[in-house]
Amino acid sequence: AQSVAQPEDQVNVAEGNPLTVKCTYSVSGNPYLFWYVQYPNRGLQFLLKYITGDNLVKGSYGFEAEFNKSQTSFHLKKPSALVSDSALYFCAVRDPSSNTGKLIFGQGTTLQVKP
Amino acid sequence: GAVVSQHPSRVICKSGTSVKIECRSLDFQATTMFWYRQFPKQSLMLMATSNEGSKATYEQGVEKDKFLINHASLTLSTLTVTSAHPEDSSFYICSARDSLRLAVSYEQYFGPGTRLTVT
Repeated sequence: AQSVAQPEDQVNVAEGNPLTVKCTYSVSGNPYLFWYVQYPNRGLQFLLKYITGDNLVKGSYGFEAEFNKSQTSFHLKKPSALVSDSALYFCAVRDPSSNTGKLIFGQGTTLQVKP
Repeated sequence: GAVVSQHPSRVICKSGTSVKIECRSLDFQATTMFWYRQFPKQSLMLMATSNEGSKATYEQGVEKDKFLINHASLTLSTLTVTSAHPEDSSFYICSARDSLRLAVSYEQYFGPGTRLTVT
């Protein structure tokens, strides 16, 4: 079955330090991978995606993610965290069995950046 | 670009009444929209895929007679929670895909969500 896992419920990091939010996936075929961020009581905002090409993908707000096929991972990273980055982050993969572009979401990881 | 709106943002209703939530794509056309439900600090649960001009496709375990979906135009999908009960209280989020970019883009653009409270 297709799935996405975010092994950490919460990640704590000090402002100015690098951050990593982990994501691993299990899908058949080539994965289309996404990261979204959700602020309290808001919808999801698109951060970045990997479809094909360069394994290092750069996205919004200084975030980037590295696609690693051998480790089936797509970890989200940022070199220097900001307090305003504190939010709920979701990794998602396109469901290859769907012809509507349905996404499968991970459980979400709460990022807490402390001053 | 790629803005999705939802209305209302917050609604409180009495048990037994019906509530309609609108999802609009403001600057693009969307033949496909999705409806999600989210419980506090949890992931999104896909309820159904809304297809313009045809019946919605519901996920397993979602009652289609309780959660009525209508996608009558390329920019509007509605979710009606019929005979609402307190257990239907949740955060409902819609998303949409840009019809003109279906073959090249799989992003979904999300609305800001609707907080439903059934008393």
